[in-house]
Amino acid sequence: RKEVEQDPGPFNVPEGATVAFNCTYSNSASQSFFWYRQDCRKEPKLLMSVYSSGNEDGRFTAQLNRASQYISLLIRDSKLSDSATYLCVVSGGNTPLVFGKGTRLSVIA
Amino acid sequence: NAGVTQTPKFRVLKTGQSMTLLCAQDMNHEYMYWYRQDPGMGLRLIHYSVGEGTTAKGEVPDGYNVSRLKKQNFLLGLESAAPSQTSVYFCASSISTVLRTTEAFFGQGTRLTVV
Repeated sequence: RKEVEQDPGPFNVPEGATVAFNCTYSNSASQSFFWYRQDCRKEPKLLMSVYSSGNEDGRFTAQLNRASQYISLLIRDSKLSDSATYLCVVSGGNTPLVFGKGTRLSVIA
Repeated sequence: NAGVTQTPKFRVLKTGQSMTLLCAQDMNHEYMYWYRQDPGMGLRLIHYSVGEGTTAKGEVPDGYNVSRLKKQNFLLGLESAAPSQTSVYFCASSISTVLRTTEAFFGQGTRLTVV
């Protein structure tokens, strides 16, 4: 089983839609969780950290379920500019960051 | 406010040639990483370093060597380039403690083609 697994998509959604991505991880000792965004041919950039209590940043909400070992990202009111690949990232503290393969989102006008 | 800088940004090598990719960070981060990214494969960890003078293998270390002689620099070497090493290479750095790792900051990438 891969350490971090994501549905590769693509998710094709109309503007204004709500879309959710899930990510599962295999290392139960993982302590740090993130969602990154990567635009075509660019470096990944942090979208948001994921905390045990969940966190929200504008239209984006991230949740962590330790018992089931998955994290989620919800995007509300999708914009054309949200089109990108979303990477789930997990770390065990003193272990390196492990990236999922990413989920591709296309928001269509 | 440079962050993480990779050199070079583009390179074409002939099979069998050697080269070194340089990564420099000015954030005093302990952890540094080298990843490669290929279509459909996501980011795969090549080598990483948890501090000056230390290195460790990642998921795909074969064909690469690394060195971390100074805290701010992490070098990735290809001793004898092969077409399979054609890829986009990303360097990243982060802070890490026993309890957790903070976000990683990435360089802009090096696009390497081996012919």
